[in-house]
Amino acid sequence: AQSVTQLDSQVPVFEEAPVELRCNYSSSVSVYLFWYVQYPNQGLQLLLKYLSGSTLVKGINGFEAEFNKSQTSFHLRKPSVHISDTAEYFCAVTGNQFYFGTGTSLTVIP
Amino acid sequence: EAQVTQNPRYLITVTGKKLTVTCSQNMNHEYMSWYRQDPGLGLRQIYYSMNVEVTDKGDVPEGYKVSRKEKRNFPLILESPSPNQTSLYFCASSLSPPGPLATGELFFGEGSRLTVL
Repeated sequence: AQSVTQLDSQVPVFEEAPVELRCNYSSSVSVYLFWYVQYPNQGLQLLLKYLSGSTLVKGINGFEAEFNKSQTSFHLRKPSVHISDTAEYFCAVTGNQFYFGTGTSLTVIP
Repeated sequence: EAQVTQNPRYLITVTGKKLTVTCSQNMNHEYMSWYRQDPGLGLRQIYYSMNVEVTDKGDVPEGYKVSRKEKRNFPLILESPSPNQTSLYFCASSLSPPGPLATGELFFGEGSRLTVL
């Protein structure tokens, strides 16, 4: 079975500072990994995904994530955040179903 | 425009009054799914459908029903709503069911906020 753990439920960060949102997964099979973003009062939309190949994946809005198989992690990073990045971020893994983490609320402070 | 449409977006109802939340996608996706989102619990799957007339339970199916008579529609039915079903509900679809050969992502509707008094 697969599962996803997002270690931080809330992450406050000042504008223009870097941020890392952590995600660890467990799986006995090969998986695909995703990060979704949910802006206030909206549905989830895809930020980026890892299927295979390069372990560094770039997504929309300047976000990137690195797949680390040995540490079973898929952390999301951005070198300089903006106010508009304030949102809920979900890590997800697919095996026979989509499995989501509990989410990390990113708040960017002016 | 490719989208997943849910209705209603907001609903306040009372215990025991049957309601249906509709979901429709225009992308000819095979796979559709319902989730509920609750604070601190993230997204939990209620039901999913691999294709027309094929549905199965997710992690939290109690108190819900679904049907998939057409490829584009996947309504969520609450036969006798209770206050513990107060939540934010999301419908999502994907071109193909998740699995080792599927690389597509889920497309989400904008959500339906349900309050049961």
